[in-house]
Amino acid sequence: DAGVIQSPRHEVTEMGQEVTLRCKPISGHDYLFWYRQTMMRGLELLIYFNNNVPIDDSGMPEDRFSAKMPNASFSTLKIQPSEPRDSAVYFCASSRERDYGYTFGSGTRLTVV
Amino acid sequence: QKEVEQNSGPLSVPEGAIASLNCTYSDRGSQSFFWYRQYSGKSPELIMSIYSNGDKEDGRFTAQLNKASQYVSLLIRDSQPSDSATYLCAGQYSSASKIIFGSGTRLSIRP
Repeated sequence: DAGVIQSPRHEVTEMGQEVTLRCKPISGHDYLFWYRQTMMRGLELLIYFNNNVPIDDSGMPEDRFSAKMPNASFSTLKIQPSEPRDSAVYFCASSRERDYGYTFGSGTRLTVV
Repeated sequence: QKEVEQNSGPLSVPEGAIASLNCTYSDRGSQSFFWYRQYSGKSPELIMSIYSNGDKEDGRFTAQLNKASQYVSLLIRDSQPSDSATYLCAGQYSSASKIIFGSGTRLSIRP
């Protein structure tokens, strides 16, 4: 199993640009989660999906953030327009069942200048 | 606001000793608890899960859960320098699938 695959690993963009982060969950995992990690705020849940349906997006910081899961093997997190305060490591994670722990991807380190 | 609290450390432990990491949580409805290890620059890795009161052992790791006190702990026996990392405690609500993470405890094992 290749694990949770995220791309790109690093992204540097200018303020105001659109950023798209990608995630491929582990096959057979019904839950997919997007987290953001910073030194100040730790790991924050942004949104999660169950069977491709968004269940809880209360952690999405503002309308500039959006997430989609068009099928069971692919999800995107989009930031438009990006701002310097969005700089963080963004993790995607997936889980087989509700009470299982998650498997995290390697993360995308986003820097907005 | 449901929260998971950890001491940020750093916690310094001599090699070969027992490292004890602690965590408290605010939601009595939480059912499942997890410990993740995160090396610097890497993603969190699940090392232990615990669902009922008592102890759960896996190799050098023992997770302890006390729901009455809303307390979770992780013991690492025979600590090794490779155990130096940040340890994240996490709790899962009974009513939802999402896991809430603590801020993590940085553990340093000194040779």
